[in-house]
Amino acid sequence: SQTIHQWPATLVQPVGSPLSLECTVEGTSNPNLYWYRQAAGRGLQLLFYSIGIDQISSEVPQNLSASRPQDRQFILSSKKLLLSDSGFYLCAWGTSGGAEEQYFGPGTRLTVT
Amino acid sequence: AQSVSQHNHHVILSEAASLELGCNYSYGGTVNLFWYVQYPGQHLQLLLKYFSGDPLVKGIKGFEAEFIKSKFSFNLRKPSVQWSDTAEYFCAVNPSTDKLIFGTGTRLQVFP
Repeated sequence: SQTIHQWPATLVQPVGSPLSLECTVEGTSNPNLYWYRQAAGRGLQLLFYSIGIDQISSEVPQNLSASRPQDRQFILSSKKLLLSDSGFYLCAWGTSGGAEEQYFGPGTRLTVT
Repeated sequence: AQSVSQHNHHVILSEAASLELGCNYSYGGTVNLFWYVQYPGQHLQLLLKYFSGDPLVKGIKGFEAEFIKSKFSFNLRKPSVQWSDTAEYFCAVNPSTDKLIFGTGTRLQVFP
């Protein structure tokens, strides 16, 4: 069966520090991968998605970037965190083609101080 | 731009009450529709989905949703809620692309 992992589960970082959140998927190949940010009252905002290695689409211009160095690994990064980057970050995977449902990881709670 | 609206931001019910959560989307073409649920401390998970066929879709835990194309709606219903239904509910639309567009979510609190 397929599983999706995210780490760390929680993170507290000072403003201006770098960020690296990792997501890995097991039990499937060539998945679509997604990064979302969930904020109270604002639902899930799609940040990045990837349909293959080194193929990244950015949905919202901001202080973050994403990379997909391997088929089942998706990384969310920042060179310098802002206070506004605080939030709950969710990784998800879906089957190629995009018509099917997505499966979500446990999330990372990021607090920028 | 494509969007999904959930007008009920916070719903409070007593056990055994009936539930209906609204979801409207703005997209004129073919869509796939989803309801996801996030129980306290748990992953976001699929509650039900509609791709085609019977517009009344039944999901897990007694939930159902009805797709009304003319109203661009996909409302979620349950005839009798339980305390364990306390969660946040998200409507989502896939407009035939690789992306899901989510609504802002509805927080449901059920009191015994």
